[in-house]
Amino acid sequence: AQSVAQPEDQVNVAEGNPLTVKCTYSVSGNPYLFWYVQYPNRGLQFLLKYITGDNLVKGSYGFEAEFNKSQTSFHLKKPSALVSDSALYFCAVTPRDGATNKLIFGTGTLLAVQP
Amino acid sequence: EPEVTQTPSHQVTQMGQEVILRCVPISNHLYFYWYRQILGQKVEFLVSFYNNEISEKSEIFDDQFSVERPDGSNFTLKIRSTKLEDSAMYFCASSEDRTRAGYTFGSGTRLTVV
Repeated sequence: AQSVAQPEDQVNVAEGNPLTVKCTYSVSGNPYLFWYVQYPNRGLQFLLKYITGDNLVKGSYGFEAEFNKSQTSFHLKKPSALVSDSALYFCAVTPRDGATNKLIFGTGTLLAVQP
Repeated sequence: EPEVTQTPSHQVTQMGQEVILRCVPISNHLYFYWYRQILGQKVEFLVSFYNNEISEKSEIFDDQFSVERPDGSNFTLKIRSTKLEDSAMYFCASSEDRTRAGYTFGSGTRLTVV
């Protein structure tokens, strides 16, 4: 079955420190990969996506993600965390083969950035 | 930047009542979706809609659910007879193409069934 794993329910990091939010997937082929962020009582905001090309993808608000095909991972990173980055982060994938265009979401990781 | 608009932001309804959740997708998008997020759980796919018909639906999307694009701009989700377990945040989304572009999500409608 196709699935996305976000192994950490919560990630705590001090402001100014680098952050990593992990995501691995189990989807046939090379799926399209996405990160979304959800602030309290808000919708899902697109952060970045991997379609093809460079394995390091840069997105909104200084975030980037690295696609690793051999490890089937797409970890979200930021060199220097801000308190305002505190939110719920979702990794999502969709198969490239066109069999479906639904997004398969991970369970989400709550990022808490301490001042 | 274009947005997906959802109304209402919060709806409270009694069990057994019908509800209609409304969405205005981005105007040049062709694919439309509904997802839901039960409190504290992950976001789940409900249905996708293209060319005026359902293109895919999940096992959650049973006969109690229906979708419609009644005019050129609105996209609605109807739940015929709400249950307590339908309480969730419902997200509408639209996309320009089938998969590559990604989705734009609305801010959601929080449905509370009492």
